[in-house]
Amino acid sequence: NAGVTQTPKFQVLKTGQSMTLQCAQDMNHNSMYWYRQDPGMGLRLIYYSASEGTTDKGEVPNGYNVSRLNKREFSLRLESAAPSQTSVYFCATLDPGGNEQFFGPGTRLTVL
Amino acid sequence: AQSVTQPDIHITVSEGASLELRCNYSYGATPYLFWYVQSPGQGLQLLLKYFSGDTLVQGIKGFEAEFKRSQSSFNLRKPSVHWSDAAEYFCAVGGSNDYKLSFGAGTTVTVRA
Repeated sequence: NAGVTQTPKFQVLKTGQSMTLQCAQDMNHNSMYWYRQDPGMGLRLIYYSASEGTTDKGEVPNGYNVSRLNKREFSLRLESAAPSQTSVYFCATLDPGGNEQFFGPGTRLTVL
Repeated sequence: AQSVTQPDIHITVSEGASLELRCNYSYGATPYLFWYVQSPGQGLQLLLKYFSGDTLVQGIKGFEAEFKRSQSSFNLRKPSVHWSDAAEYFCAVGGSNDYKLSFGAGTTVTVRA
């Protein structure tokens, strides 16, 4: 039972390059989330998916797109990376019974 | 709009001393409140949560938090800290019909020997 997994763990991009961050969960949770973490700003919600087939914008969606491929997987895409997107990205799922979010280990992204 | 304020950016405490981390929230309905801990290079782990009932809640690792509606606060406490408690701590608020959480900026705790 791996919980929430994220790939890659680390990535360095050049400005303008694109990439997709992958998230998968084996907890059978409906809701999934993408956050970014920046020093002094806590975690900010980028996008979330309340259930398979639905996605909604969070607090800071600009420059990102998401895909809820199936119940297990929720990917985050940067179409044209910018230095302002240098951050640590966390994926999370929600256990509705306990209203608890479970977090993956994070992806550390640097955009040069 | 919902928001969380953690007034202390950084706290240094001696091992064995008590610890209190402050959290103030703004939420339009009955809040669900959470404290998460993040060790260096790791993801977030839930310490405790408050939904309703007893306003003093117990969590893992010897932590507790008290919900005070009149003060819109949810402060985290530990009577005696251990070196392993050095980490960053985040307070978060959400609601029963709102699965989105808002996080505070975090408080970094340093434990000195």
